[in-house]
Amino acid sequence: EVQLVESGGGLVQPGRSLRLSCTASGFNFSDYAMSWVRQAPGKGLEWVGFIKSKGNGETTEYAASVKGRFTISRDDSKNIAYLQMNSLKTEDTAVYYCSKTVVVGASDYFDYWGQGTLVTVSS
Amino acid sequence: QSVLTQPPSVSGAPGQRVTISCTGSSSNIGAHFDVNWYQQLPGTAPKLLMYGYASRPSGVPDRFSGSKSGTSASLAITGLQAEDEADYYCQSYDSSLSLVVFGGGTKLTVL
Repeated sequence: EVQLVESGGGLVQPGRSLRLSCTASGFNFSDYAMSWVRQAPGKGLEWVGFIKSKGNGETTEYAASVKGRFTISRDDSKNIAYLQMNSLKTEDTAVYYCSKTVVVGASDYFDYWGQGTLVTVSS
Repeated sequence: QSVLTQPPSVSGAPGQRVTISCTGSSSNIGAHFDVNWYQQLPGTAPKLLMYGYASRPSGVPDRFSGSKSGTSASLAITGLQAEDEADYYCQSYDSSLSLVVFGGGTKLTVL
């Protein structure tokens, strides 16, 4: 059974940093891209970024709203994907979901999701 | 404002058929990038409902179906049930923005 468990969320002041983790099980983690998607309170889904598998060069892509501030990485030996968030802004407040990503050319889709972790950016 | 446009809400009585539209442009749906659909039940994480326009993951009932025409896609739900009450999101890729895009979401209410 595929399981994704996010951790690391919490309350953080604007301008500070936070690192989220996504621990995966139930599938061959190293073979798959992993994505992060966020959802601000009462709002819709917003793609944050992804990291492809090592076999696909561990390529990363980011949404314009987080590019230069957020970094996605992975540790295939531990089956963990990370989201390093720097220079946090109040508008980054959201539930952050990690998802196992199926890459189909550019038509990627997210076939399994974690339960999410809440990040609140506030002074 | 989302690149993919969905109606904010739709509703239907149990047993009825409802459709949810997802309108894009020539740089996403019209450029033949796939449309995928997700269901988010209240208080839970999204779940993949449909991928590649009309393919259902294992476990998704065949009451759910997807289609595409031009720069729009649609999700149809037949035999509406109370447990279908949820938010539904379409998702694709936009070549002008070079990123994954979601629709704004549609809240389905079962009357």
